[in-house]
Amino acid sequence: AQSVAQPEDQVNVAEGNPLTVKCTYSVSGNPYLFWYVQYPNRGLQFLLKYITGDNLVKGSYGFEAEFNKSQTSFHLKKPSALVSDSALYFCAVRDRGAGNMLTFGGGTRLMVKP
Amino acid sequence: NAGVTQTPKFRILKIGQSMTLQCTQDMNHNYMYWYRQDPGMGLKLIYYSVGAGITDKGEVPNGYNVSRSTTEDFPLRLELAAPSQTSVYFCASPGTGDMNTEAFFGQGTRLTVV
Repeated sequence: AQSVAQPEDQVNVAEGNPLTVKCTYSVSGNPYLFWYVQYPNRGLQFLLKYITGDNLVKGSYGFEAEFNKSQTSFHLKKPSALVSDSALYFCAVRDRGAGNMLTFGGGTRLMVKP
Repeated sequence: NAGVTQTPKFRILKIGQSMTLQCTQDMNHNYMYWYRQDPGMGLKLIYYSVGAGITDKGEVPNGYNVSRSTTEDFPLRLELAAPSQTSVYFCASPGTGDMNTEAFFGQGTRLTVV
């Protein structure tokens, strides 16, 4: 069975500082990996995905994520955090060979303070 | 292109009442999912469908039913509402293939059972 772990319930960072939101995954085959963001009282918005190729993936709003196959990780990063980045972030995995089931991590709340 | 549309956005039910949450997608996707999100928590898969006429249970199916008579529609039925079903419900639909494998989410239905 596939699974996703987001080890931090909350990440606090000062505005202008770099941020990292951690994600590790477990799948039996090759994964698609995703990051989504959820603002209060809203649905999930797609940020970026890893399919294949370059391990550094760039997405919306200046976010990027680094795929590390040996560590089975897909950490979300941003060089300079904004207060408006404060939201709930979800990592998700989809095993290409397992019926396209999409599994989410528990979410990490990012708090960016001025 | 509307993507994934959910109705209603809000609903209050009394214990024992029934209701149907509607979900429609106009992307001609085969896959559709129903998730619930409890306050401060991640997403749990209720039911999913891999195509018209095919549905299967997810992680938390008890108390719910689904049907998939068309590619576009994937309604979720609550037969006897219970307070434990108070949650926010999201419908999602991913594409297939590398270029559009990310899931598109509806705006959610906030359900309160009293």
